[in-house]
Amino acid sequence: SQQGEEDPQALSIQEGENATMNCSYKTSINNLQWYRQNSGRGLVHLILIRSNEREKHSGRLRVTLDTSKKSSSLLITASRAADTASYFCATDLSGGYNKLIFGAGTRLAVHP
Amino acid sequence: DAGVIQSPRHEVTEMGQEVTLRCKPISGHDYLFWYRQTMMRGLELLIYFNNNVPIDDSGMPEDRFSAKMPNASFSTLKIQPSEPRDSAVYFCASSPEGGNSNQPQHFGDGTRLSIL
Repeated sequence: SQQGEEDPQALSIQEGENATMNCSYKTSINNLQWYRQNSGRGLVHLILIRSNEREKHSGRLRVTLDTSKKSSSLLITASRAADTASYFCATDLSGGYNKLIFGAGTRLAVHP
Repeated sequence: DAGVIQSPRHEVTEMGQEVTLRCKPISGHDYLFWYRQTMMRGLELLIYFNNNVPIDDSGMPEDRFSAKMPNASFSTLKIQPSEPRDSAVYFCASSPEGGNSNQPQHFGDGTRLSIL
């Protein structure tokens, strides 16, 4: 089974609302990364949070990491139609140098 | 700066044919990754290189798949012979050296492969 699992699988919201996506993983990690994928395009890195960090911000993005629960969340505030995409978490296995395991992703639809 | 460049963007071919996918990583990046994305299995790592040397090919599905990186600016993923179940989007990604910590990966826009 996959190291990272996102929840929910799909999310539909209105512009201006906040979107929260969750990621759970199974084994110890060095860091956790979030990526976005627009339809027909490659993945784009959004944010990286290290295992010794609990929260990180980047513009409208807020990521939290709870290593005791082996979970992370990505919050997009004041969503826009352009945020419509799939969002993936990716974890590295502690000691698994430079090899990321991606979850199945959350499909976010933001309606104008 | 140019990102990761993949070619072709789309490939349609008949089963049994040889398929070659190409990738040009970002200049200066030491790591190159090949992934496959399908609805059923999501994004799977096939193989990755460090400084042109294959490090982990445990994700390569079978001997029909091979990958090479003859120099720092070019890599190929070859399928011979191709089968319909190989139909997927194949991504190449690269990342810089990060010591003992993973760095963000930069993805190309993929090759959408259809085997008839």
